[in-house]
Amino acid sequence: SYVLTQPPSVSVAPGQTARITCGGNNIGSKSVHWYQQKPGQAPVLVVYDDSDRPSGIPERFSGSNSGNTATLTISRVEAGDEADYYCQVWDSSSDHQVFGGGTKLTVL
Amino acid sequence: EVQLVESGGGLVQPGRSLRLSCAASGFTFDDYAMHWVRQAPGKGLEWVSGISWNSGSIGYADSVKGRFTISRDNAKNSLYLQMNSLRAEDTALYYCARTDPQSGRYYFDYWGQGTLVTVSS
Repeated sequence: SYVLTQPPSVSVAPGQTARITCGGNNIGSKSVHWYQQKPGQAPVLVVYDDSDRPSGIPERFSGSNSGNTATLTISRVEAGDEADYYCQVWDSSSDHQVFGGGTKLTVL
Repeated sequence: EVQLVESGGGLVQPGRSLRLSCAASGFTFDDYAMHWVRQAPGKGLEWVSGISWNSGSIGYADSVKGRFTISRDNAKNSLYLQMNSLRAEDTALYYCARTDPQSGRYYFDYWGQGTLVTVSS
């Protein structure tokens, strides 16, 4: 089965740029989606199809995907961005949805 | 407004059964595939099962295959998960979520708030 690997944690100071990676075998050939989850809340889609943003998501959130790594980039990080972030792909070979293990973003 | 409201969770003994429901509103239910995603306490997201708009395509995670059954009733705008032979490791918050694969959209754009299942003696 397809596996997505994320770092358990990322820390960044306010105003700086956070980069959260998602590794997978030839993930660049797949569409990657990213979710933000704050404590006690359901996940919220922040980036879909590698780099598109749903309406209402700030432009500070962006994504890229190439080779074996997809990246969620959060520019000008704010305290309110502190949350868990998950990447997700659809594995066509198994017709299963796959999530990464999640990354806790801490704003220092 | 799109709404997904899960129900049916609770405390259940190991080996017993439970049926979850998800009531959908605010969109054309049978235009979408529907899924169950769970999150064990303090852990990450795990896709459990998905069902196509017409129930013609169904999938399960290996961890639940043979024990859980997903179904939907488009006339009632409802999604279900029949969970049998429950184990302690099935303890989790169960979310209902939708995708739109017919439009090439394989991401979960709306989620419910979840229903908690606790398996314990």
